[in-house]
Amino acid sequence: ETGVTQSPTHLIKTRGQQVTLRCSSQSGHNTVSWYQQALGQGPQFIFQYYREEENGRGNFPPRFSGLQFPNYSSELNVNALELDDSALYLCASSFGGRRNSPLHFGNGTRLTVT
Amino acid sequence: AQKVTQAQTEISVVEKEDVTLDCVYETRDTTYYLFWYKQPPSGELVFLIRRNSFDEQNEISGRYSWNFQKSTSSFNFTITASQVVDSAVYFCALSEAQGAQKLVFGQGTRLTINP
Repeated sequence: ETGVTQSPTHLIKTRGQQVTLRCSSQSGHNTVSWYQQALGQGPQFIFQYYREEENGRGNFPPRFSGLQFPNYSSELNVNALELDDSALYLCASSFGGRRNSPLHFGNGTRLTVT
Repeated sequence: AQKVTQAQTEISVVEKEDVTLDCVYETRDTTYYLFWYKQPPSGELVFLIRRNSFDEQNEISGRYSWNFQKSTSSFNFTITASQVVDSAVYFCALSEAQGAQKLVFGQGTRLTINP
């Protein structure tokens, strides 16, 4: 069984730039969620995709956007990067988007904005 | 609004000691789900347990046990006979029954087990 994989592992960007983070879900999973984890904090929900549609969003501005592809992989795009966007971005997958389903997380992408 | 509070920021114990991590939550829902995750230095969040709000039965899995008390809105996690490999950041999380599958996490407790 293949777990959740994320790329790249680390990324350094300049304020104002745009970034794309990628995630491959665990085999058999059709739901992908993205979380932002600032240093020393718990993860915060960005949004979730189920069957290629966004079906829930946290308190993040529109410059955070995403896609889910037919193979259930996903991208997180962030435009006009700000210094506060520096964080660990975690992707998680599950099956069916059920509230009680455990999320399976990847190792994350560490984004540094300078 | 939902909220999860882990009041213990850091805990340090000597190997083989028992340690309890506290978690208090707030929600208006009558049906909800509680989770514990472990985050080792690699960054990946590892699922440990899920508990449904209508099931207050405590659970034991090896050296791990969980005490869910709805009356005090708490879901505490105990590690018995701790080991160095238990060192990690532990997160408690809440998911409500309505809407998207969204986890609300606490701030985490950094647990250090010293040899």
